[in-house]
Amino acid sequence: AQSVTQPDIHITVSEGASLELRCNYSYGATPYLFWYVQSPGQGLQLLLKYFSGDTLVQGIKGFEAEFKRSQSSFNLRKPSVHWSDAAEYFCAVGANTNAGKSTFGDGTTLTVKP
Amino acid sequence: DTAVSQTPKYLVTQMGNDKSIKCEQNLGHDTMYWYKQDSKKFLKIMFSYNNKELIINETVPNRFSPKSPDKAHLNLHINSLELGDSAVYFCASSLRDRSYEQYFGPGTRLTVT
Repeated sequence: AQSVTQPDIHITVSEGASLELRCNYSYGATPYLFWYVQSPGQGLQLLLKYFSGDTLVQGIKGFEAEFKRSQSSFNLRKPSVHWSDAAEYFCAVGANTNAGKSTFGDGTTLTVKP
Repeated sequence: DTAVSQTPKYLVTQMGNDKSIKCEQNLGHDTMYWYKQDSKKFLKIMFSYNNKELIINETVPNRFSPKSPDKAHLNLHINSLELGDSAVYFCASSLRDRSYEQYFGPGTRLTVT
């Protein structure tokens, strides 16, 4: 069965500092991996996705993520955080089997200090 | 321009009532989903439909009944609402052969009092 672990429940960074959110997955084949962001009171917005190819993927809002098969990780990074990045971040693994049942991590809450 | 829309955005109701949430997508997708996000923000899939056919039905009380009149719409009807049903419900859609790439609606915040 597929699973996703986001080890950090809550992360606080200063504005302008770099950010890395961790995500580890478990899946028997090549996974499809995603990062979503949920601003307070809002829906889920897709930040970026990895299907195949280049293991470093670029997303919206200056985010990037790197797929590391050997570590079963798909960590999200941003070089310089803005106050508007404060939100909940979800990593997800999807499959083209299992009728499209995507599995989400429990989320990481990002707080940005001025 | 809205890709996946849900109505209403907020829903406050009393225990025991019956309510529906509607979802529509204009992306030309053939598969739609309902997710529940609880107060701890955990997201769990509830149902998925492909071309009006139920394909995922997680362990959800049978008070919850999805209905898909066509492949662009997936509604969620909830009977005899309970306090524990309070959550944010998200609709999503995808193509069946790209079911890993789902697009989400804005959510419906249901509060049962």
